[in-house]
Amino acid sequence: KAGVTQTPRYLIKTRGQQVTLSCSPISGHRSVSWYQQTPGQGLQFLFEYFSETQRNKGNFPGRFSGRQFSNSRSEMNVSTLELGDSALYLCASSIAGASTDTQYFGPGTRLTVL
Amino acid sequence: AQSVTQLDSQVPVFEEAPVELRCNYSSSVSVYLFWYVQYPNQGLQLLLKYLSGSTLVKGINGFEAEFNKSQTSFHLRKPSVHISDTAEYFCAVSEVGFQKLVFGTGTRLLVSP
Repeated sequence: KAGVTQTPRYLIKTRGQQVTLSCSPISGHRSVSWYQQTPGQGLQFLFEYFSETQRNKGNFPGRFSGRQFSNSRSEMNVSTLELGDSALYLCASSIAGASTDTQYFGPGTRLTVL
Repeated sequence: AQSVTQLDSQVPVFEEAPVELRCNYSSSVSVYLFWYVQYPNQGLQLLLKYLSGSTLVKGINGFEAEFNKSQTSFHLRKPSVHISDTAEYFCAVSEVGFQKLVFGTGTRLLVSP
């Protein structure tokens, strides 16, 4: 079974632009979560989607948004990029989004904002 | 709210030596506990998790961890490390009923020959 895939793997943008990152979960998984990883703040939860509904959201500004499609694929969008948005964005999927479920992580998208 | 403290940012160890990576957590509600490993330029991989039951949890690659409720700790151990264990290790908690993981700052394990 294929793992979690994220596209693109690397991205370079300039301040003020917007960006969309994509995540394809493991087949059969219905929950997708997004995390931001930076050297300064570590790993921080962005949001979780289950059956196209956002169930939980982390403490990030409204510039960060996401959505989930009927096939469970998910996208996250960051508008008006800032230098501090440079990070590794990780997507994780789980079968049903239960807190006991194992979350399987993708390799991440490394975003650099210049 | 939950928080996780990993006391050691870096742990150097020689190959075939034992290792312990420390993790303490704080939470006012019941939580589940996890250890993840991250190899360079890769995502996170689950090593083990504690949900309930026996406080000694065995995971992949010979790792184990012990849940200590009174000490609010969940230390990770391996009796004999290999060069290939060099990676960053993250302890995490999730509140029961929620998928959100709260991570510690990570411990870099450096195994040398």
